[in-house]
Amino acid sequence: DIQMTQSPSSLSASVGDRVTITCRASQSISSYLNWYQQRPGKAPKLLIYSASSLQSGVPSRFSGSGSGTDFTLTISSLQPEDFATYYCQQSYSTPLTFGPGTKVDIK
Amino acid sequence: QVQLVQSGAEVKNPGASVKVSCKASGYTFIAYYIHWVRQAPGQGLEWMGWINPNSGGTNYALKFQGRVTMTRDTSISTANMELRGLRSGDTAVYYCARLIAADGKGWFDPWGQGTLVTVSS
Repeated sequence: DIQMTQSPSSLSASVGDRVTITCRASQSISSYLNWYQQRPGKAPKLLIYSASSLQSGVPSRFSGSGSGTDFTLTISSLQPEDFATYYCQQSYSTPLTFGPGTKVDIK
Repeated sequence: QVQLVQSGAEVKNPGASVKVSCKASGYTFIAYYIHWVRQAPGQGLEWMGWINPNSGGTNYALKFQGRVTMTRDTSISTANMELRGLRSGDTAVYYCARLIAADGKGWFDPWGQGTLVTVSS
């Protein structure tokens, strides 16, 4: 199974801050990497697919990069509605696996 | 709009079974695989498996093989997930999600709203 790790596990930031979350795969997954946002009590929502493609309707302050084993999700200017938990997920092989999540909260 | 609507919350005794349904609308049901993912309280996301609504073919995570069955009813555009032999560790929110696939890659969009299954005596 491909193990996914994320760092940091949590962070505190202010509105307007630039935030970067890192995701690492235990083996190369090319660009088979997706990012989801989950607000409390809600279902996950797709933000980025195939490592760097922005899902339709998602604000352009979100961006993704990386390939192989190392990936990043960047929020260029944090907004109040962005306080949530973010998960990466590999679709390279089954079992599909998710990172443990990064919780972004208000400083 | 594309939507997945799941059945309501369930409370079950240990050893019982639960069946969660996921009704699709706004797209051609048989054209996209449906996956199931669960989330224990305060924990991360765990993939359980998928069903091909066109053929009925399935693929389950090793952890759930022998305890889970995924089915579909194309006449009502609904996918189902049944989990048997419930134990306290199965208490979780269960999500269905549509897999979008292109160039061999896949991602989940949208997700159902989730169904809380509580296992307690």
